[in-house]
Amino acid sequence: NAGVMQNPRHLVRRRGQEARLRCSPMKGHSHVYWYRQLPEEGLKFMVYLQKENIIDESGMPKERFSAEFPKEGPSILRIQQVVRGDSAAYFCASSPVWREVPYEQYFGPGTRLTVT
Amino acid sequence: AQKVTQAQTEISVVEKEDVTLDCVYETRDTTYYLFWYKQPPSGELVFLIRRNSFDEQNEISGRYSWNFQKSTSSFNFTITASQVVDSAVYFCALRTNRDDKIIFGKGTRLHILP
Repeated sequence: NAGVMQNPRHLVRRRGQEARLRCSPMKGHSHVYWYRQLPEEGLKFMVYLQKENIIDESGMPKERFSAEFPKEGPSILRIQQVVRGDSAAYFCASSPVWREVPYEQYFGPGTRLTVT
Repeated sequence: AQKVTQAQTEISVVEKEDVTLDCVYETRDTTYYLFWYKQPPSGELVFLIRRNSFDEQNEISGRYSWNFQKSTSSFNFTITASQVVDSAVYFCALRTNRDDKIIFGKGTRLHILP
């Protein structure tokens, strides 16, 4: 059973460009979470999605950031007009629908975004 | 409000020494889950343990042990006979029963010196 997959693992963007980060949850998982880790910091929650539905986006910056989890395909975290402060590691986690292992979130390897 | 505090920013010990990483949490919920994760230099997050609020039994897994004390809201992590491969950043984290997000501490960077 493949784990949570994220791609790309490393992404370099110039200021003003768009960044698209992809997350494929574990098989059978329909809940996806995005976290951001700024340099020398812990992870901070950004958004929680189910298929075609945003459940909690309380951690998302108000502008330039958006997330989706379509019926088919991976979850996408989109950052428009990136700035240097967006440079961070972005982690995706997934959990099963029925929460067989209570409150277990399985983390992907992360995408390291560098804005130049 | 939920909060996790890891007061030790960085620790260095010599190989084979024991080391304890401190974690203090805050929550008003009676049902919650506590976690420890390891982040090695390669950057991925490695799950180490989950403990629910109703289970105060200490746990030991090989050289790792965890001490959960509800009275002091602490969930400390001890590595016995440390090894160089234990060098990493360790995160303590909290999740409550009514919220799906995990709240992470800022992490403790552990250096094990040969």
